[in-house]
Amino acid sequence: ETGVTQSPTHLIKTRGQQVTLRCSSQSGHNTVSWYQQALGQGPQFIFQYYREEENGRGNFPPRFSGLQFPNYSSELNVNALELDDSALYLCASSLPSGAGTDTQYFGPGTRLTVL
Amino acid sequence: AQKITQTQPGMFVQEKEAVTLDCTYDTSDPSYGLFWYKQPSSGEMIFLIYQGSYDQQNATEGRYSLNFQKARKSANLVISASQLGDSAMYFCAMRGPINFNKFYFGSGTKLNVKP
Repeated sequence: ETGVTQSPTHLIKTRGQQVTLRCSSQSGHNTVSWYQQALGQGPQFIFQYYREEENGRGNFPPRFSGLQFPNYSSELNVNALELDDSALYLCASSLPSGAGTDTQYFGPGTRLTVL
Repeated sequence: AQKITQTQPGMFVQEKEAVTLDCTYDTSDPSYGLFWYKQPSSGEMIFLIYQGSYDQQNATEGRYSLNFQKARKSANLVISASQLGDSAMYFCAMRGPINFNKFYFGSGTKLNVKP
């Protein structure tokens, strides 16, 4: 069974730039969620995708956007980067809620630094 | 609104001893799931244990057990026979609301296992 993978591992950008982070879901999982984890804090929910549609969003501005593809892989795009966007970005995949188990399995994360 | 509280920023435990990490939660949903994750310094969130709100018995997974007290809204993690490799951040999380697989995370507890 293939686990959740994310790329790149690390990324350095400057303020105002745009960034795309990628995630491949665990085999058989059609739901993917993205989280932002600032240093010393717990992860904060950004949004979730199910069957290529956004299925809920946290308190993040529209410059955070996402996509899910037919193979259930996903992208997180962040436009107009700000210094406070520096964080670990975690992708998690799961079966949809109500499918018997809703455990989210996380990837290794992408550490984004905005200078 | 859902909320997870972890009141222990840091804990020390002697190798081979047991340790309890505290977690309290707040939700108005009758159906919810509670999870514990381990996050080593590498950043990846590792799933440890799950407790459903309707489960009658406390969950156990190897050296991990969850002390679930529904009336008190607490879901403490007990690690028996601590090992040096248990040193990490530990996060309590709750799934909610129903039909939406969003996780709410606590602020985490840093566990240090002393030899």
